[in-house]
Amino acid sequence: KQEVTQIPAALSVPEGENLVLNCSFTDSAIYNLQWFRQDPGKGLTSLLLIQSSQREQTSGRLNASLDKSSGRSTLYIAASQPGDSATYLCAGSGNTGGFKTIFGAGTRLFVKA
Amino acid sequence: DTGVSQNPRHKITKRGQNVTFRCDPISEHNRLYWYRQTLGQGPEFLTYFQNEAQLEKSRLLSDRFSAERPKGSFSTLEIQRTEQGDSAMYLCASSLLAGGKNEQFFGPGTRLTVL
Repeated sequence: KQEVTQIPAALSVPEGENLVLNCSFTDSAIYNLQWFRQDPGKGLTSLLLIQSSQREQTSGRLNASLDKSSGRSTLYIAASQPGDSATYLCAGSGNTGGFKTIFGAGTRLFVKA
Repeated sequence: DTGVSQNPRHKITKRGQNVTFRCDPISEHNRLYWYRQTLGQGPEFLTYFQNEAQLEKSRLLSDRFSAERPKGSFSTLEIQRTEQGDSAMYLCASSLLAGGKNEQFFGPGTRLTVL
């Protein structure tokens, strides 16, 4: 059974800092690992998706990596800005038992101006 | 393409009433997912469809919940005899499974409050 854990649960940093959000999963038979951003009371916005055959993906100031052997993914945010303040969620979908997607509880990020 | 849409955005109902939510996916997407999210938690998988076929349903989904996707287009999620514990945000997502990629795009959600 897939379980996804995100550390830390909350993070407060000054503007301009580089930061890393961590995601760990228990089942290495992962099909896709997807990172999302969620603003309060809103739906989820897809940030990056890493396929099982890939090691990392980049979009602007964001870089996500995937290490299936250790069951870990990281989201790196460079030069953080107050507009980055949101909850960041990772989700793993597997090809064992279907394509059910399991989410972590998220990391709440606050970037101080 | 206007993205995934959900209606209504908010629903307040009394305990014991039935409610129905609608999700319109991105037009070319063949997969559609329903999730439930409570405060401070990540979305919890409920069920998903490939075209019109419901392929998986969470064991957490009681028989009061039913979902349909007629003709593989929009989907509805019905909750019968609502309970206060059903209060949550109900999220819909769609994706196009192709080439090893299954990127999900979410709608804005329907917030349900059961009084």
